[in-house]
Amino acid sequence: EIVLTQSPDFQSVTPKEKVTITCRASQSIGSSLHWYQQKPDQSPKLLIKYASQSFSGVPSRFSGSGSGTDFTLTINSLEAEDAATYYCHQSSSLPPTFGGGTKVEIK
Amino acid sequence: QVQLVQSGAEVKKPGASVKVSCKASGYTFTSYGISWVRQAPGQGLEWMGWISAYNGNTNYAQKLQGRVTMTTDTSTSTAYMELRSLRSDDTAVYYCARDPSNARGPVYFDYWGQGTLVTVSS
Repeated sequence: EIVLTQSPDFQSVTPKEKVTITCRASQSIGSSLHWYQQKPDQSPKLLIKYASQSFSGVPSRFSGSGSGTDFTLTINSLEAEDAATYYCHQSSSLPPTFGGGTKVEIK
Repeated sequence: QVQLVQSGAEVKKPGASVKVSCKASGYTFTSYGISWVRQAPGQGLEWMGWISAYNGNTNYAQKLQGRVTMTTDTSTSTAYMELRSLRSDDTAVYYCARDPSNARGPVYFDYWGQGTLVTVSS
């Protein structure tokens, strides 16, 4: 199965700062990479599909890029409400797998 | 608006079975699939399987093969996930999630249920 490795595991960031989270796949997955946000005690929410396509209603400060094995989620001008754990997920081949998550804390 | 409403928390003994429901509304149920994803306490996300609400085709995670069954009832727009021979490491929050694929297998998960906590304890 395809292993997704996220970095960093944890990031403490001040509001308005830019956040970059990376996700590396163990083999090429094209653009079949999706990003989710999960706030404490809530269900995950889809942010980005197919590496760079924003999901409906997601604030424009969230963006995604990459293809093949290396992907990035960027949060421009972090807001307090963005404190959450972020997961990447690949659908290139079965079984779908998730990265281990990146927890973003607001300083 | 799309909603997925799951059944309530369950406490089960080791060896028992649990069946979690997921009632969909706000969209054409048979045009999508449903994936099930679980999350052990303090851990990450684990995909369990997918079912097409169109034709009932399924894909299950290999580690759960033989213990999990996913079904749908199109008359009530409800998906079900049954897990048998429960063990303590099955303790987790179980989520259903809408999947745009209703034919070829899981793609991505655009709307999620609120989660159902299943606790397995003697």
